Amino acid sequence: DQQVKQNSPSLSVQEGRISILNCDYTNSMFDYFLWYKKYPAEGPTFLISISSIKDKNEDGRFTVFLNKSAKHLSLHIVPSQPGDSAVYFCAASGPRGRGGADGLTFGKGTHLIIQP
Amino acid sequence: NAGVTQTPKFQVLKTGQSMTLQCAQDMNHNSMYWYRQDPGMGLRLIYYSASEGTTDKGEVPNGYNVSRLNKREFSLRLESAAPSQTSVYFCASSGRIYSGNTIYFGEGSWLTVV
Repeated sequence: DQQVKQNSPSLSVQEGRISILNCDYTNSMFDYFLWYKKYPAEGPTFLISISSIKDKNEDGRFTVFLNKSAKHLSLHIVPSQPGDSAVYFCAASGPRGRGGADGLTFGKGTHLIIQP
Repeated sequence: NAGVTQTPKFQVLKTGQSMTLQCAQDMNHNSMYWYRQDPGMGLRLIYYSASEGTTDKGEVPNGYNVSRLNKREFSLRLESAAPSQTSVYFCASSGRIYSGNTIYFGEGSWLTVV
């Protein structure tokens, strides 16, 4: 039972264009969402997050949009740069203070390839 | 600033051997985690420790044990390694579970069981 889904294993985008990475979730109790970026042979690094009380969060070239009714979030990268080529993981966490805390639930990742 | 440090970086084990992956964080975080990453599977939680002195099972705990040695250190032990445990293991830490804080990861440990 996959609670966080990234349905595109890979995405190829031309340098300078917009990259849009999508993520769907099934657990309505998730209240905090994050995107991580991972280069080969390195650990995931935090990129951007959004609380369920917001529908948009922006940080430089990166913007995350949350549509709670659709249980969908997306990461927009504008403009895309060669250094953005990496695997991007969507992650979600549950309500605060819930017993049996279990960290983050991750999607399977999307490999973003920025073409020159 | 070291962050999350895990050792060893690479290890090859024979089936049935035991080993311990070590992890330490210097961010004074309460919560620590062990994840494994397999091709096409994303990151799956093995065990976590919400605070010093407590540990709990995650999604895929079978075949593993953990010890929260103190606030800084959280180790993962394979008592009898199996080929199915060939994976990349990531230790992570965060200020508090469900605080909205981010989880910070170590650089990973590549384990091969032959």
